[in-house]
Amino acid sequence: ETGVTQTPRHLVMGMTNKKSLKCEQHLGHNAMYWYKQSAKKPLELMFVYNFKEQTENNSVPSRFSPECPNSSHLFLHLHTLQPEDSALYLCASSQVPRELGYEQYFGPGTRLTVT
Amino acid sequence: RKEVEQDPGPFNVPEGATVAFNCTYSNSASQSFFWYRQDCRKEPKLLMSVYSSGNEDGRFTAQLNRASQYISLLIRDSKLSDSATYLCVVRFTGNQFYFGTGTSLTVIP
Repeated sequence: ETGVTQTPRHLVMGMTNKKSLKCEQHLGHNAMYWYKQSAKKPLELMFVYNFKEQTENNSVPSRFSPECPNSSHLFLHLHTLQPEDSALYLCASSQVPRELGYEQYFGPGTRLTVT
Repeated sequence: RKEVEQDPGPFNVPEGATVAFNCTYSNSASQSFFWYRQDCRKEPKLLMSVYSSGNEDGRFTAQLNRASQYISLLIRDSKLSDSATYLCVVRFTGNQFYFGTGTSLTVIP
């Protein structure tokens, strides 16, 4: 596969469930990101990893827990979510910004519905 | 004040028209600038980076004005396939990317 892939593409979960979103990039990048996109709102940066180390956590509630085992894989673990967490969750990758080619490339997203 | 602001539109233009979008950003120390396009229920896709001297890619021209803190995107000879939402993206420092809410474009036959 090429580019950035995400699974699952759609997810419906109850507020008491635990689920995980997976992202994989095949671009040889060193930075990976989680974004949340809600209707009528700009993309919100949630977490950033550079070389597997978390560098940004933009005041995201603890019910969202990221994991980055290596530079190619990124997970977002979800537990006890709220209905307002329903959104499109996008994964992206780039080279670490201090290097050339730091444009971000996005996966197709996971459309999450919390019931 | 929002970090990145765009006119949400919608812009409805006939095929062949020229259309321009502007975007303003709040942080004068911003380092990188991009335009992305996003089709309905799809992920954002990089359209072009924006360089200090301005740059062109086919029918698309991007400009950066650091003094006024805005970037622009000009689309010439609009095609039906250009219909999408155009996102302005600014990188402040490090990995801090900020997205505008997007400008909706519909090209009409």
